[in-house]
Amino acid sequence: GENVEQHPSTLSVQEGDSAVIKCTYSDSASNYFPWYKQELGKRPQLIIDIRSNVGEKKDQRIAVTLNKTAKHFSLHITETQPEDSAVYFCAASRGGYQKVTFGTGTKLQVIP
Amino acid sequence: ETGVTQSPTHLIKTRGQQVTLRCSSQSGHNTVSWYQQALGQGPQFIFQYYREEENGRGNFPPRFSGLQFPNYSSELNVNALELDDSALYLCASSSDTYGYTFGSGTRLTVV
Repeated sequence: GENVEQHPSTLSVQEGDSAVIKCTYSDSASNYFPWYKQELGKRPQLIIDIRSNVGEKKDQRIAVTLNKTAKHFSLHITETQPEDSAVYFCAASRGGYQKVTFGTGTKLQVIP
Repeated sequence: ETGVTQSPTHLIKTRGQQVTLRCSSQSGHNTVSWYQQALGQGPQFIFQYYREEENGRGNFPPRFSGLQFPNYSSELNVNALELDDSALYLCASSSDTYGYTFGSGTRLTVV
């Protein structure tokens, strides 16, 4: 089955700096890669996703890149703000009705 | 509101008991997936239901079972509860068009 590895497990940045979280996956058939943000005590919320036919996707301060050959994808957050502090999960799926496999999470702390 | 609702929000059970958790999927979504999230860890896939049929199962014992109803709502049943079953149980609904939408979860504590 799919295995998703994520690092770092914790990340502290100064407000205004950039943050990068990296993930690798094992199943070459995976073609859908969502990212979720989970604040303390709340549900995971989808913040951005990318499909395998695209190498990069951007939404305001958030961007995701995908390298299918190397089987890795990354989340980039620019101009970080204190409200970006949360746990971020990467995930991978074969798409459609297939299950989504999550990484172990990255706890991001943005220091004002 | 995301449209995915779970009940109850919190639950305390004794080891050996049985529990049923419920999930109402978002309108237009015909697939429900259940995840277990232990403290400080990522969600772990339990199983998925698509149009009332189990459509994949993770590495969980048979005492974890479920079903999906014609209106696409779903139940997760756990028998013979163990202390390690204490976790946040998340339900996520989806369709072929949309990604997962998670409910707020049920916090289960087994004592």
